[in-house]
Amino acid sequence: AQSVTQLDSQVPVFEEAPVELRCNYSSSVSVYLFWYVQYPNQGLQLLLKYLSGSTLVESINGFEAEFNKSQTSFHLRKPSVHISDTAEYFCAVEENAGKSTFGDGTTLTVKP
Amino acid sequence: DSGVTQTPKHLITATGQRVTLRCSPRSGDLSVYWYQQSLDQGLQFLIQYYNGEERAKGNILERFSAQQFPDLHSELNLSSLELGDSALYFCASSASGTKYNEQFFGPGTRLTVL
Repeated sequence: AQSVTQLDSQVPVFEEAPVELRCNYSSSVSVYLFWYVQYPNQGLQLLLKYLSGSTLVESINGFEAEFNKSQTSFHLRKPSVHISDTAEYFCAVEENAGKSTFGDGTTLTVKP
Repeated sequence: DSGVTQTPKHLITATGQRVTLRCSPRSGDLSVYWYQQSLDQGLQFLIQYYNGEERAKGNILERFSAQQFPDLHSELNLSSLELGDSALYFCASSASGTKYNEQFFGPGTRLTVL
């Protein structure tokens, strides 16, 4: 069975600092990997995804994530965060059609 | 705006009652997913329907049931409600039920059981 571990529940950083949100997964088969973002009082939005091909994937707002098969990780990074990046971030794994497993979430708080 | 609508936005009810949450998927999407988000259990996948049929099942209690209608909207029925059922319930939709689906989430229904 697949599982997802987000290693940090809370990550406070100052504006313009770099950030890494860590995600590890376990699965016996090939998976698809996702990062979703949830802003306060909103539903989840897809941030980026890894399906196949290049192991480095990027989003339009400066986030990137790297799929590392040997370490079964899919960490999310941004070189310089903004106040508007304050949100909860979820890593998710899809192994079987439609059945996604989500991590517990990481709350990113960007301070001025 | 994801294009997924959920009603009602808020629901307050008492233990032992039954409620129905409604979801309308994005136009053209055939798959609907239900999730429960609570403080103690995080985001849990409950169930997926594809074109009217159950496709995948997650941590859904026997007191809960769902269905997808011919017009593709879906309802999640929660019965014999307990205090612990208080949570945000999200619906998401995607174009197909095959492997890899970008899911578009609705704004959620906040259920409070008193």
